[in-house]
Amino acid sequence: SQQGEEDPQALSIQEGENATMNCSYKTSINNLQWYRQNSGRGLVHLILIRSNEREKHSGRLRVTLDTSKKSSSLLITASRAADTASYFCATEAGGGADGLTFGKGTHLIIQP
Amino acid sequence: DAGITQSPRYKITETGRQVTLMCHQTWSHSYMFWYRQDLGHGLRLIYYSAAADITDKGEVSDGYVVSRSKTENFPLTLESATRSQTSVYFCASSELGDGYTFGSGTRLTVV
Repeated sequence: SQQGEEDPQALSIQEGENATMNCSYKTSINNLQWYRQNSGRGLVHLILIRSNEREKHSGRLRVTLDTSKKSSSLLITASRAADTASYFCATEAGGGADGLTFGKGTHLIIQP
Repeated sequence: DAGITQSPRYKITETGRQVTLMCHQTWSHSYMFWYRQDLGHGLRLIYYSAAADITDKGEVSDGYVVSRSKTENFPLTLESATRSQTSVYFCASSELGDGYTFGSGTRLTVV
């Protein structure tokens, strides 16, 4: 069963605009991670935010985590055509040793 | 995807045949995982391993077998392939609490 659910399922914006994707989850977590997947490729780890953190930055990426609402957001600033991909949130729960649970992803299209 | 290799990249097999998907990592990560990715389902965990000779079932383990005799290898075997096992299979590795490194995937078609 899916732990995380991304919203929206698809997003199309113009190059240079900011893109925001949201993720909601159901149970307590150790951390939440965001991944990018280009068409036909494997997933690439973008950023990990731990349950005791509220915000994290990495380059043009900003992730927030609200454990009281069981939600997270991924903001990509100044989008580029190369950011076109599917983005997945994934949660690690329990002891952490039994794998990540992934959402179904947001498909982001950056129009040049 | 440097450091984790999956083979083959593409595979077509017949219903009822046994097929093994290979995964090799050079990071010496303790944890390894197999996921399948299907349209409408996202990624679902098949099996995972915390160390050599330690494996556990994931959400969708029926019809699959794994082994981990060495830390760096984690092969996934479909004992008797069915059409419902047509999917893209991803191997991943990590250390506990860290992000995962994924392989490029194996696209398996069962006819």
